[in-house]
Amino acid sequence: DAGVTQSPTHLIKTRGQHVTLRCSPISGHKSVSWYQQVLGQGPQFIFQYYEKEERGRGNFPDRFSARQFPNYSSELNVNALLLGDSALYLCASSFLTGSHEQYFGPGTRLTVT
Amino acid sequence: AQSVTQLGSHVSVSEGALVLLRCNYSSSVPPYLFWYVQYPNQGLQLLLKYTSAATLVKGINGFEAEFKKSETSFHLTKPSAHMSDAAEYFCAVSGPSRDDKIIFGKGTRLHILP
Repeated sequence: DAGVTQSPTHLIKTRGQHVTLRCSPISGHKSVSWYQQVLGQGPQFIFQYYEKEERGRGNFPDRFSARQFPNYSSELNVNALLLGDSALYLCASSFLTGSHEQYFGPGTRLTVT
Repeated sequence: AQSVTQLGSHVSVSEGALVLLRCNYSSSVPPYLFWYVQYPNQGLQLLLKYTSAATLVKGINGFEAEFKKSETSFHLTKPSAHMSDAAEYFCAVSGPSRDDKIIFGKGTRLHILP
């Protein structure tokens, strides 16, 4: 079975631009969570979605938004990019909301110049 | 509020030696505790988890961790290090509720010396 997939793998954006990151969960998983991992730090929770509804939000500005589609895939959007948004963005899926059996994708490496 | 502190951002051990990665937690509710491993350019993989059952938890790749409530610790060990164990290791804490989020530590990079 395929694991969690994320696209793109890498991308480079300029300050002020907008970016969309995509995630496909493991088949049958209904919950998707997004994390930001800055170099040298642990992942920080951004959002969790379950059955297309937001179930949790971390301490991130409103420039960050997300949504989940009927097929349970998800998008993370970041507006007005700042240099500090450069990070590895990880998506994790689980069968239930808040499930502690989270499976992580390989991440999208975002570089903002 | 919950948090974890990983002692030592870098740990070096010789191949075949004991691996000990330290993690202390803080939690206002009974904690669920996790160890994840991250290989270069990859996502996180769950090594093991403690969810209030047995205090000694065995995970994949020969790793285990012991929950010690009196010491608020959840240290990760492996009797004999292998070169393939070189990676970043993250300790994480959550609560028992479905709505509790996972809080990660800053990570410990494990180096294996030949």
